[in-house]
Amino acid sequence: AQSVTQLDSQVPVFEEAPVELRCNYSSSVSVYLFWYVQYPNQGLQLLLKYLSGSTLVKGINGFEAEFNKSQTSFHLRKPSVHISDTAEYFCAVSLMNRDDKIIFGKGTRLHILP
Amino acid sequence: EAGVTQFPSHSVIEKGQTVTLRCDPISGHDNLYWYRRVMGKEIKFLLHFVKESKQDESGMPNNRFLAERTGGTYSTLKVQPAELEDSGVYFCASSLRLAGQQFFGPGTRLTVL
Repeated sequence: AQSVTQLDSQVPVFEEAPVELRCNYSSSVSVYLFWYVQYPNQGLQLLLKYLSGSTLVKGINGFEAEFNKSQTSFHLRKPSVHISDTAEYFCAVSLMNRDDKIIFGKGTRLHILP
Repeated sequence: EAGVTQFPSHSVIEKGQTVTLRCDPISGHDNLYWYRRVMGKEIKFLLHFVKESKQDESGMPNNRFLAERTGGTYSTLKVQPAELEDSGVYFCASSLRLAGQQFFGPGTRLTVL
């Protein structure tokens, strides 16, 4: 079975500071990796995805993530956060070439401090 | 182009009552998915439609939940009778093709008292 672990349920960070949201996954087969974001009162929005190729993936709003197969990690980073980045972030996986279901982590709430 | 829409946005019902949630996917998307997030836990897959057929319903928690997608357009998820543990946010998503990007709706927050 596959699982996704987001180590931090909440992360406070000052505006314009860098941030890293951690994600580790467990799977016996190859997976696709995703980060989704949910802004207040909105639906889930795809931030970025890793399917294959370069392990450094760039997404929207200045976010990027790096796939590390040996550590089974897919941490999300942004060099300088803005108040508008206040949201909940979800790491997720889906099985390559198999069923379509997405398996999510529990989410990390990013609080931007002024 | 309109995104995935869900109705209602919130629903508060008493234990034992029936509730029906609706999802309208993006026009032309054959694949429709239901997910649920119970408070404090991760978002979990419930089921997947391809057009009007159930492709995978392995995540449906029990037979109190009934999902339909008549005509292959919008879908409904009925909970009957609702229990306290059914409270949570129900998300719908749609995709154009299998293994394609899933676009999520804003969710329906269900509270069972």
